[in-house]
Amino acid sequence: DAKTTQPPSMDCAEGRAANLPCNHSTISGNEYVYWYRQIHSQGPQYIIHGLKNNETNEMASLIITEDRKSSTLILPHATLRDTAVYYCIVRSQNYGGSQGNLIFGKGTKLSVKP
Amino acid sequence: GAVVSQHPSWVICKSGTSVKIECRSLDFQATTMFWYRQFPKQSLMLMATSNEGSKATYEQGVEKDKFLINHASLTLSTLTVTSAHPEDSSFYICSATGGQNTEAFFGQGTRLTVV
Repeated sequence: DAKTTQPPSMDCAEGRAANLPCNHSTISGNEYVYWYRQIHSQGPQYIIHGLKNNETNEMASLIITEDRKSSTLILPHATLRDTAVYYCIVRSQNYGGSQGNLIFGKGTKLSVKP
Repeated sequence: GAVVSQHPSWVICKSGTSVKIECRSLDFQATTMFWYRQFPKQSLMLMATSNEGSKATYEQGVEKDKFLINHASLTLSTLTVTSAHPEDSSFYICSATGGQNTEAFFGQGTRLTVV
C-alpha cells in the first residue's frame, strides 16, 4: 500500500502557484520523498525529490516539514501544460533488488484553468 | 533527465497471441528495471522488478508464466505477454534506475489492446 495521502483533486488558475500537499506520517529515516506527474496516456515524469531539506529545480520546489511527516510540491507559475496527476511517493534510496520500488497511490489530479 | 524508450507505443493483437514490449535505457546503464500496468482511471500497479542477469521478482497476483520478463543487458528489458486475452488490455509502463542516477525514469508506455 502507498505510504502517502494526497487530496484526490485540485484546481489552480493559470499563472498562479500550485501547492500540492502530501502526508507521509510513517516515513522512516532512510526514505526520500519523490514527486512524479503523469500527463494523460504518458509515462510518469520525474519532478523532484528530497530527504529533509527543501529542494528546488527548474520545474518545482519541494518543501518538507521539519518532522518530515508532510511535504508540499510547489509549481510557482502553473501553466495549462501542468494539468496532470501528481504522485507523492516515499522510497528508500537503496535500490538493490526490489528496494527501489516506486509504489504509486492515487495521486492528486491537478487541473490548471485559464 | 535520463531517457527511457519503450516500444511499441501501442499494439493491437488477437486473443491467444503473444506480444513483446521493449524497454531501453538510452543514456545510462539500468541495473534495475520495473514493469507496471495501469488500467483506465487507476494508478500504476507494480508487476515485477528485474535486475540485469537475474530472474525477475513478481508481485503477488502476477503470473510469471504469463508475463515473461527478460533483462539480459544493462540497457534492455523485455516484457512478453503470452497467450493474451482481452482482460490483458492495459497500459504497460517500464521504469529504469541505476548508474549515476538515483531516481527512476519511465518509458512513455505501451497501450495494449487484445481483440
